[in-house]
Amino acid sequence: GESVGLHLPTLSVQEGDNSIINCAYSNSASDYFIWYKQESGKGPQFIIDIRSNMDKRQGQRVTVLLNKTVKHLSLQIAATQPGDSAVYFCAENKWTSGTYKYIFGTGTRLKVLA
Amino acid sequence: DTGVSQNPRHKITKRGQNVTFRCDPISEHNRLYWYRQTLGQGPEFLTYFQNEAQLEKSRLLSDRFSAERPKGSFSTLEIQRTEQGDSAMYLCASSPPVFQGYEQYFGPGTRLTVT
Repeated sequence: GESVGLHLPTLSVQEGDNSIINCAYSNSASDYFIWYKQESGKGPQFIIDIRSNMDKRQGQRVTVLLNKTVKHLSLQIAATQPGDSAVYFCAENKWTSGTYKYIFGTGTRLKVLA
Repeated sequence: DTGVSQNPRHKITKRGQNVTFRCDPISEHNRLYWYRQTLGQGPEFLTYFQNEAQLEKSRLLSDRFSAERPKGSFSTLEIQRTEQGDSAMYLCASSPPVFQGYEQYFGPGTRLTVT
């Protein structure tokens, strides 16, 4: 079946360094991908999105890269801060059965070390 | 705060009891989703409403689960005869009409514990 998964369950990064969180998807006709941040006890929070006709999109301190050839998505966080500590999910938005459905990966926990 | 609210935030119930959760989406959002999330996992799609119409239900949604959105505004998710396996975080999300974008706004969730 189709899946959106993440390579690493936990990523530890020194404060001030850049973080890269990776995500793989398989066999998808999705045209839209999203990265979410989820802090403990809260719902997922939208970070950045990218359409399948783009390779790169930048936000404030965050960049998403999409490599459709290898079906790979990454989230880059510049100058990681303690407030970035959270679980990060990638999600695939796919039109199926007459609706847009979001399929989430397992998540990567980002730990920022002081 | 995304503007999506859920109540209650926490619910502890005994196995076999019925529970009902409420979601109030952002007012101009016509699309509403319910998800279930267990520890360490990403949200799993349960069901989707466009206005008051329930357009899709996941196979995860057994006969004990029912969701409604009677006037196209708030939504309720009911679980009958709860089982321990129902313990999870139940998330609600809303989205504007498709022509305005695909972004979903999540509520804080309702954490259900079945004892």
